[in-house]
Amino acid sequence: DQQVKQNSPSLSVQEGRISILNCDYTNSMFDYFLWYKKYPAEGPTFLISISSIKDKNEDGRFTVFLNKSAKHLSLHIVPSQPGDSAVYFCAARGAGNEKLTFGTGTRLTIIP
Amino acid sequence: DGGITQSPKYLFRKEGQNVTLSCEQNLNHDAMYWYRQDPGQGLRLIYYSQIVNDFQKGDIAEGYSVSREKKESFPLTVTSAQKNPTAFYLCASTPFYSNQPQHFGDGTRLSIL
Repeated sequence: DQQVKQNSPSLSVQEGRISILNCDYTNSMFDYFLWYKKYPAEGPTFLISISSIKDKNEDGRFTVFLNKSAKHLSLHIVPSQPGDSAVYFCAARGAGNEKLTFGTGTRLTIIP
Repeated sequence: DGGITQSPKYLFRKEGQNVTLSCEQNLNHDAMYWYRQDPGQGLRLIYYSQIVNDFQKGDIAEGYSVSREKKESFPLTVTSAQKNPTAFYLCASTPFYSNQPQHFGDGTRLSIL
């Protein structure tokens, strides 16, 4: 049972445009959500997070939006840069629970 | 410079042999985790430990074992009972019960010959 889903395995975006990566979840007990970026043969690096008490969190070029009623979150990257080409994972955690549940990832390719 | 060190980066073993993957952190984090990544799949939790001398099974613990004798070390043994051990293994850590994100090592790619 996939509790965190990233339905787009890949996405290509022109450099300078906006990249939008989507994530859906089914477990209503999740209250904290994170996005990680991963290059090949490296560990994931943390990008940005959002608590369920918020609907938006912004950090530079990265903004995460949370729609609790739809159980949906999205990561916006603007403007997209070639160094943003990587696999992006969304992850979720329940209250008082250290365990993260990860989605299957979306490979983002930025076209120069 | 604090971080998580996984060694070796690449590991080859013959079928039927046990193999141990190393994970060391100098971040003074309480909790440590082992994940497995397969192509086209997300990270799946194998084992985690919140304090020394204590650990819990994750979602795919069968065929794996761990120990947590020291706060900074959390080695993972892939036993011969693991039916499909070839994968990319990632170790992570975080302070106990905090909203800080998990920090990851650079992983070990295990290939069974």
